[in-house]
Amino acid sequence: DAKTTQPTSMDCAEGRAANLPCNHSTISGNEYVYWYRQIHSQGPQYIIHGLKNNETNEMASLIITEDRKSSTLILPHATLRDTAVYYCIVRVAGENNDMRFGAGTRLTVKP
Amino acid sequence: EPEVTQTPSHQVTQMGQEVILRCVPISNHLYFYWYRQILGQKVEFLVSFYNNEISEKSEIFDDQFSVERPDGSNFTLKIRSTKLEDSAMYFCARGGSGYYGYTFGSGTRLTVV
Repeated sequence: DAKTTQPTSMDCAEGRAANLPCNHSTISGNEYVYWYRQIHSQGPQYIIHGLKNNETNEMASLIITEDRKSSTLILPHATLRDTAVYYCIVRVAGENNDMRFGAGTRLTVKP
Repeated sequence: EPEVTQTPSHQVTQMGQEVILRCVPISNHLYFYWYRQILGQKVEFLVSFYNNEISEKSEIFDDQFSVERPDGSNFTLKIRSTKLEDSAMYFCARGGSGYYGYTFGSGTRLTVV
């Protein structure tokens, strides 16, 4: 998605926190930041989303900068099963606004 | 929330044949989507379907493609005359509740030979 910029790949040691950055400098006021991941050739899996406040759920934390131009997805204790492609998407919330995927970041968790 | 089920998991078809890919979402959802992913490439949006009508479609979704929700539960993607370049993983998704993200199925791997 041309609205976001992510590193092509990252490595992380098992058990350590994985911090995945995303730049979305042209985000508009009504656009949310969504994160998905895709493990191998499975269907994308929703992780978390946020508007301007930091968010946390059982899978991850999402930190959004105050100016909303960038965000970081944090996997607090990465496991080998977290190896996947992670997608950052900005989108106006609502089911009638389609989710468009970019190239994402390929995260490799190493033992 | 319950998962989205796609059938078949893998389909091989000859070029020029018609294929129908099936998806079973939950009937009380209104928004459904089809995406495809050519091997090694990104996930591409094909079409969104709302209230039994196409809501939006991408440039990929040409006259060879059609979608239906024939019985209020199943959601199908038909490719009328398959081409080699239609070989890909096809993912069905349904909209989440409120502002939450989509739930994707595990996909159908289509191989056109």
